[in-house]
Amino acid sequence: GNSVTQMEGPVTLSEEAFLTINCTYTATGYPSLFWYVQYPGEGLQLLLKATKADDKGSNKGFEATYRKETTSFHLEKGSVQVSDSAVYFCALSSSGSARQLTFGSGTQLTVLP
Amino acid sequence: DGGITQSPKYLFRKEGQNVTLSCEQNLNHDAMYWYRQDPGQGLRLIYYSQIVNDFQKGDIAEGYSVSREKKESFPLTVTSAQKNPTAFYLCASSIDRGNTGELFFGEGSRLTVL
Repeated sequence: GNSVTQMEGPVTLSEEAFLTINCTYTATGYPSLFWYVQYPGEGLQLLLKATKADDKGSNKGFEATYRKETTSFHLEKGSVQVSDSAVYFCALSSSGSARQLTFGSGTQLTVLP
Repeated sequence: DGGITQSPKYLFRKEGQNVTLSCEQNLNHDAMYWYRQDPGQGLRLIYYSQIVNDFQKGDIAEGYSVSREKKESFPLTVTSAQKNPTAFYLCASSIDRGNTGELFFGEGSRLTVL
C-alpha cells in the first residue's frame, strides 16, 4: 500500500534560518505529491504540489521537487519567519484512488525571533 | 466566501453518549471526507463520500457513522461504540471524485470525552 514518511519533529529554528523537512514515499504508479500546512487551531491548507517527476512546487517561499529516483519530496525554505510556525504534512495521491490522500505524520516547526 | 464550515468548534461528551459533528460546504464540491487527527499522528480517514446518498468506509470507520443526504452536508456521528473518541476531527471536500489530491479543509472540531 501507499505510505509517506516524514522526518520527526519538533523542529526549532531561528528566524532567517534555512529549513528542510524530509519526506519520502512508497506508492505504486505515479502519484501526485503535496505539502499541506496546519496553523495552530486550524484545518489544513494546501501549500504546494507536484504531479510528475522533476516538477517543482513552490508557494510563499517554500519549494519541493518531485524526485522519483529517490522517492522523495523534501520541503525547503531559504529564510523562515516566525509566521511559518506550524505543522507541515507531506501527502500523496495515487492515480485512480477516490480515497484521495495518504498523509505523513506531520512535522511541527517552531521559528523563534 | 466559499468554504467549509464545521461546528461545533469544541464539544464535550460524557461516556456513552452519541454526538454529531456538522460539516457544510458551499464550494459545490462532489466529494467530502472526514479525518481524525491525534497528537503526533497524521490524518486518518474515517469515511468519504463521492456523491449524494453514497459513502464508503475509510481506515478507521468503526464507532462512527455518516450520512450524505445533500451535496452540501456530510455530518459525522461519533457513537458510544467508539472506544477512544477524544480527538480533533477534520472535514474536507474536493472538486471531483477523482484523485486531484487537492482537499479543502474546515477548521476542525475538537471532541473531548469526560
